[in-house]
Amino acid sequence: EVQVVETGGGLIQPGGSLRLSCAVSGFSVTKNYMFWVRQAPGKGLEWVSVLYGDGREFYADSVKGRFTISRDKSRDILFLQMNTLRAEDTALYFCASAQCSGGSCPTIWGQGTQVTVSS
Amino acid sequence: DIQMTQSPSSLSASVGDRVTVTCRASQSVITYLNWYQHKPGTAPKLLISGIYNLERGVPSRFSGSGSETEFTLTISSLQPEDFATYYCHQTYSPPLTFGGGTRVEIK
Repeated sequence: EVQVVETGGGLIQPGGSLRLSCAVSGFSVTKNYMFWVRQAPGKGLEWVSVLYGDGREFYADSVKGRFTISRDKSRDILFLQMNTLRAEDTALYFCASAQCSGGSCPTIWGQGTQVTVSS
Repeated sequence: DIQMTQSPSSLSASVGDRVTVTCRASQSVITYLNWYQHKPGTAPKLLISGIYNLERGVPSRFSGSGSETEFTLTISSLQPEDFATYYCHQTYSPPLTFGGGTRVEIK
């Protein structure tokens, strides 16, 4: 069974750091690409970052220079290192995997992990 | 960056109504367009990938159409469990942008 499970969220003070983890099962973390999405309270879905199978990584402007996406191929885990956190980073963070084939990229999502940045 | 513009941002409809949501991309995303249903506090549910490919288990009242830059999600007969927010999402080129969402409310 293919599955994606995020962990690592919590309450953190402004300026602090947090690392989110996303463990996958039933497929490889290097398959196609994996990405992070967040939803702040009362807001829509916001794409955060993507890591492709070939190692290319991209970030939303709102997190560029503060967040870093990475993976552990041996353990099939995706990470999101979040530094210099701000109140506006408060959100439910989702990890997802794209399972691309034939011009279509269906996605598999985790249930999300809550990050709250507050003093 | 590819901008995804959804309309309307919200709508009110009754059970049994036909509902259409439109998504426009600022440049071609080829066929890399997904539609999600989202309810607060839960994971987005993939309804359609590749413009019109219905995901396994998704009711056939949902359908997708369009090409290149103009896309449509249609719910042929709205059911009580369909009241949610719907998002289009381009997976063609990073940043992998979402539309702003369409909130479907009960009339």
